[in-house]
Amino acid sequence: GQQVMQIPQYQHVQEGEDFTTYCNSSTTLSNIQWYKQRPGGHPVFLIQLVKSGEVKKQKRLTFQFGEAKKNSSLHITATQTTDVGTYFCAGPLAGNQFYFGTGTSLTVIP
Amino acid sequence: DTAVSQTPKYLVTQMGNDKSIKCEQNLGHDTMYWYKQDSKKFLKIMFSYNNKELIINETVPNRFSPKSPDKAHLNLHINSLELGDSAVYFCASRSTTEAFFGQGTRLTVV
Repeated sequence: GQQVMQIPQYQHVQEGEDFTTYCNSSTTLSNIQWYKQRPGGHPVFLIQLVKSGEVKKQKRLTFQFGEAKKNSSLHITATQTTDVGTYFCAGPLAGNQFYFGTGTSLTVIP
Repeated sequence: DTAVSQTPKYLVTQMGNDKSIKCEQNLGHDTMYWYKQDSKKFLKIMFSYNNKELIINETVPNRFSPKSPDKAHLNLHINSLELGDSAVYFCASRSTTEAFFGQGTRLTVV
C-alpha cells in the first residue's frame, strides 16, 4: 500500500482563503519533493526540500520539511483560482523507487 | 521539444486485448518510471528502470511488462486487458532531483 500519506484528500476553499496539505512518510526521507497536477494534466515539479526543518517559499506557497524528515507541508496563502489542482508530495524510498503521496485535490471557489 | 513524450494519449480497447504504450525521453536521464493513476488520483508506481535494472512493484500483475530498447525509451506492454486496468498511465524520467512526466495515456477497457 501507500507509504506516503497526505491529508486532507480533498479541500474546498473560497478564493482568498489559505490552504494547507500535510504529507507523512512511514520512513525517513533523504529529500522530499512537491508536485502540482492541474485537472487533465500531468504532475509538474514545484520544489525539493533536503535539510531537516527546511522552509522554502515560492510567492504565496510555503514548503516545510519536518525535523525528523518524515513529514512535510505545503501552505498556500490567499488562494487563487489558478491554484486549483492536485498537490502531491514525493520522495525516494526503497531502492530506486520514487513514491508519491496520496495527493490533496484543491478546489477554489471564486 | 517535449522532454517526455507518450503515445497514444487515448486508448480504448476491449477486454482481453494486448496493447502497448510508448514512452521516450530526450533528457538523458538514467531512470525512468511507469505510474498508474486511478480515479481517486492516486499515483501508484509500477516500475522503475535504471541502468538496465528493473524494479517491479510487487502489486503489479505480470500481465504488465516494461520493455526498454535503449536508455531513452521505456515502453509498457499489457496483455489480456481487464476492466480494472482502465486508468491514466504516466511515464516519467528522473535525474538526481525532479521527475519529468509525460502527458499521460488514458486507457479505457470496455
